[in-house]
Amino acid sequence: DAGVTQSPTHLIKTRGQQVTLRCSPISGHKSVSWYQQVLGQGPQFIFQYYEKEERGRGNFPDRFSARQFPNYSSELNVNALLLGDSALYLCASSLVRGRDTQYFGPGTRLTVL
Amino acid sequence: AQRVTQPEKLLSVFKGAPVELKCNYSYSGSPELFWYVQYSRQRLQLLLRHISRESIKGFTADLNKGETSFHLKKPFAQEEDSAMYYCALTSSNTGKLIFGQGTTLQVKP
Repeated sequence: DAGVTQSPTHLIKTRGQQVTLRCSPISGHKSVSWYQQVLGQGPQFIFQYYEKEERGRGNFPDRFSARQFPNYSSELNVNALLLGDSALYLCASSLVRGRDTQYFGPGTRLTVL
Repeated sequence: AQRVTQPEKLLSVFKGAPVELKCNYSYSGSPELFWYVQYSRQRLQLLLRHISRESIKGFTADLNKGETSFHLKKPFAQEEDSAMYYCALTSSNTGKLIFGQGTTLQVKP
């Protein structure tokens, strides 16, 4: 198993644009969570999806949205990009939600110019 | 407020020395505590979680509910332990992981 995969690896956008990041969980995992990691800080929780429904949301503006597909893969969308959205975006999957161990992908590095 | 605090940004020790990476938390309830590690150019990976009570790569961590701490310890550091270490907690309901800011461990030869 390749583990959690994310695409693309790197992305450069300009202010005001929109971006879509993709995540494929470990086979059999039904829960996907998204985190934002700004340089020098720990990851910050954005969303958790379980069985294709949003189960948790962090303190992020409505410009951030996500969805989970029937095959449990997920997309994170960010609209109207700001310079402050530049970060590493991490996806994590787990078998179920709650206290189950989360396994992380390599991340997508987003740079907003 | 739910919070994880790792007071040291950088911890530098010599090979063979004991290591203690500090983690304090504030949470109303019964959290699950984790240590994650990120080696150079690798993804974030689980090192250990408190309910498993395992010793991974020689590291152990004891949950002290009275002091709300979950410090990571290793009696003899190795050069390959050099990495970024994150302490994290999660609640039973959301599965949301709350991370500390991380501590860089540097083990010198």
